[in-house]
Amino acid sequence: QVQLVESGGGLVKPGGSLRLSCAASGFTFSDYYMSWIRQAPGKGLEWVSYISSSSSYTNYADSVKGRFTISRDNAKNSLYLQMNSLRAEDTAVYYCASTQWLAAYNWFDPWGQGTLVTVSS
Amino acid sequence: DIQMTQSPSSLSASVGDRVTITCRASQSISSYLNWYQQKPGKAPKLLIYAASSLQSGVPSRFSGSGSGTDFTLTISSLQPEDFATYYCQQSYSTPHFGPGTKVDIK
Repeated sequence: QVQLVESGGGLVKPGGSLRLSCAASGFTFSDYYMSWIRQAPGKGLEWVSYISSSSSYTNYADSVKGRFTISRDNAKNSLYLQMNSLRAEDTAVYYCASTQWLAAYNWFDPWGQGTLVTVSS
Repeated sequence: DIQMTQSPSSLSASVGDRVTITCRASQSISSYLNWYQQKPGKAPKLLIYAASSLQSGVPSRFSGSGSGTDFTLTISSLQPEDFATYYCQQSYSTPHFGPGTKVDIK
């Protein structure tokens, strides 16, 4: 079955770095755009970044632009998020999600279970 | 950026009730609107895409409608497993989610 499993979360000090990973299985990973979406504790959902199937196109939320870098390795069926210069407001559960397309319409499905990133001194 | 609002922010309902949640975009997004359900401690789950298309495996009591700036998610007969938070999301431009609507037991 289709599965996305995130890892790499943890406690990091402000200004520190962390690299999240998302392992995909059960579908042809290299055919799909992939995204990171986060959710601060008790808050709503915030899209963070997406990457095209061949890595030729990436996009970021203004809140993380210049600090986070999304990448993928299609040979390893893996998605990554390199997070630098972390701030307290980056504390959240980070989900990876596949982006499905139908004509010009797109949506996030499925989602991984999430990994918690806590930025605190 | 296109901003999304939802109303109400929360509601209390009983099993069997018809529930309607509204989502509004700050400018026209045609039908580029998706709905998700999230239960506590779980990842969001896609319910509706392209405003009115039901995702495979989602019960038919869920339906979506609207276009332009105003959209609704309707649950025709609320079931115990439907108590959750519901989010809309626009895919017309840089993705943005609504703030969510929490549906709890009356």
